[in-house]
Amino acid sequence: DAMVIQNPRYQVTQFGKPVTLSCSQTLNHNVMYWYQQKSSQAPKLLFHYYDKDFNNEADTPDNFQSRRPNTSFCFLDIRSPGLGDAAMYLCATSRDPSGHQPQHFGDGTRLSIL
Amino acid sequence: AQKITQTQPGMFVQEKEAVTLDCTYDTSDPSYGLFWYKQPSSGEMIFLIYQGSYDQQNATEGRYSLNFQKARKSANLVISASQLGDSAMYFCAMRGGIQGAQKLVFGQGTRLTINP
Repeated sequence: DAMVIQNPRYQVTQFGKPVTLSCSQTLNHNVMYWYQQKSSQAPKLLFHYYDKDFNNEADTPDNFQSRRPNTSFCFLDIRSPGLGDAAMYLCATSRDPSGHQPQHFGDGTRLSIL
Repeated sequence: AQKITQTQPGMFVQEKEAVTLDCTYDTSDPSYGLFWYKQPSSGEMIFLIYQGSYDQQNATEGRYSLNFQKARKSANLVISASQLGDSAMYFCAMRGGIQGAQKLVFGQGTRLTINP
């Protein structure tokens, strides 16, 4: 089945040590998104790619970066993780940016900071 | 600005009963999409159902249906014949509106617990 795959499912890193989360998709969708979700909260959009065009949310910290080397893959880089960055990170895709297209999510990566 | 409001932080329902999860929204754009997602404790976000702002009929997907009342700006999710596996967090969300079609705006969620 076509799907959105996130690796790893669980990630533990040390305070200040860079970490990369990965997302791949077999849906051939044009748009890929990264969300941060903290406990008992709704997901918060960090940024998205529409094809190769990167769109950053205004309140996303500079500590968070993203790369999309091709249609299938998208990476989230956290340059110097702080304790406040511990969260679930969700990758999503949609066929196009239309308001009438659903976003399809991966299983998420749960990030812990020691 | 777009806004989604879910007024029920938690709901408890007996197995096999129907349940309605409330969602109201606010937007000034005439074209938008409304979505419901299910998030079990394992964390994945599962797309359940979609309703377009111009759709004349309420959306249905198996045991899920969306009670769309456009004039009242409400999009309640109805789950018929609830099952233990329906216990999860449920998010109402919308896309479209004056902020652009890219962003999916979520409500705060309703935690549904199905009792045996």
